[in-house]
Amino acid sequence: DAKTTQPPSMDCAEGRAANLPCNHSTISGNEYVYWYRQIHSQGPQYIIHGLKNNETNEMASLIITEDRKSSTLILPHATLRDTAVYYCIVRVAINFGNEKLTFGTGTRLTIIP
Amino acid sequence: NAGVTQTPKFQVLKTGQSMTLQCAQDMNHEYMSWYRQDPGMGLRLIHYSVGAGITDQGEVPNGYNVSRSTTEDFPLRLLSAAPSQTSVYFCASSLSRTPGNTIYFGEGSWLTVV
Repeated sequence: DAKTTQPPSMDCAEGRAANLPCNHSTISGNEYVYWYRQIHSQGPQYIIHGLKNNETNEMASLIITEDRKSSTLILPHATLRDTAVYYCIVRVAINFGNEKLTFGTGTRLTIIP
Repeated sequence: NAGVTQTPKFQVLKTGQSMTLQCAQDMNHEYMSWYRQDPGMGLRLIHYSVGAGITDQGEVPNGYNVSRSTTEDFPLRLLSAAPSQTSVYFCASSLSRTPGNTIYFGEGSWLTVV
């Protein structure tokens, strides 16, 4: 299974762009990179996902390197409400399309006023 | 649209008791799963289901049973609660089993076994 490595914690000033890195060097060609976040005491919230190309939605941008071994989640203008644990996840397909998510321990992002 | 709904939100059990955590989704999703989250360990998959009548084990299935009699519901049963099962439990669902579909999570169930 492809595993992900993330820094345990990061700080970012309010209003600045938060750049969260993720290493997934063993990713396979048909595996997607997903990002979720979890605000204290709540369920994980979907942010964005991608396969090869960079992606952008109303919440964030996802930059995937050409070799797909790493990616960066960008929150363009961080607010205090973005303080959360961010999980980078590789979706693994096993057994005729059955799949599981492998969650690591994530990055605790703290937005500083 | 309620999404993924879990009940109860909080529960305290005595060792040896049994209980069922309920999970329901109203999005007609094929794929549903249960995770537990413990400090410093991220989320670990307990059981999952790819459709009504089909279930399978995840990483940490011991001490838990599941069933999927309908598309909407995926209850998780603790057969004989142990203190090691003290955790936060999350139910999740997605439209289908293929990668590329968004997975939605419930708000969690906090379980304490004393």
